Amino acid sequence: NAGVMQNPRHLVRRRGQEARLRCSPMKGHSHVYWYRQLPEEGLKFMVYLQKENIIDESGMPKERFSAEFPKEGPSILRIQQVVRGDSAAYFCASSRPGTGNYGYTFGSGTRLTVV
Amino acid sequence: GESVGLHLPTLSVQEGDNSIINCAYSNSASDYFIWYKQESGKGPQFIIDIRSNMDKRQGQRVTVLLNKTVKHLSLQIAATQPGDSAVYFCAENMRGSYIPTFGRGTSLIVHP
Repeated sequence: NAGVMQNPRHLVRRRGQEARLRCSPMKGHSHVYWYRQLPEEGLKFMVYLQKENIIDESGMPKERFSAEFPKEGPSILRIQQVVRGDSAAYFCASSRPGTGNYGYTFGSGTRLTVV
Repeated sequence: GESVGLHLPTLSVQEGDNSIINCAYSNSASDYFIWYKQESGKGPQFIIDIRSNMDKRQGQRVTVLLNKTVKHLSLQIAATQPGDSAVYFCAENMRGSYIPTFGRGTSLIVHP
């Protein structure tokens, strides 16, 4: 079991470009959660998805950020027109149905740097 | 060594000492609490959890204490080792929610 796989591990984008972060959940996990971590801060919830559905996006900025979890393939967190303040580590976690964060497993994150 | 709430983000201890990391949570409706360990360059890793109907839970070298009266959570690590050096986060969960709220974290530095 490869665990939660996130790629790329590091991503550098210029201001105004788009960033795409991918997350493949653990085998058997159909729930995905995205978090953002600023330097020396805790993790801030962004969005909770199940296959083809956004369940809770209360932590997502209203503009430029979107997330999807298609029927096939990884979950994608997309940031359009990136700004320096988007520089952070983005983590995804996955869980099995019905376990919620009791069964959270985190990936190793994508570190986004906007230059 | 002991940290006080989230106002002292760094705790330095000697190898072999016991460590106590404290966390003040905010929501009296929270009924599930988790401690995570995050090593440099990695994602958070589950250490131990506790439900609100308990006040103490022990794992291997770790103990979590919960004081609901003052909304305080602590993580005790016995015989701290250099491999324990990491940032430790507490997280709280409200009943019925799948989304934990994370604290800011405490950096534990273990000196050999």
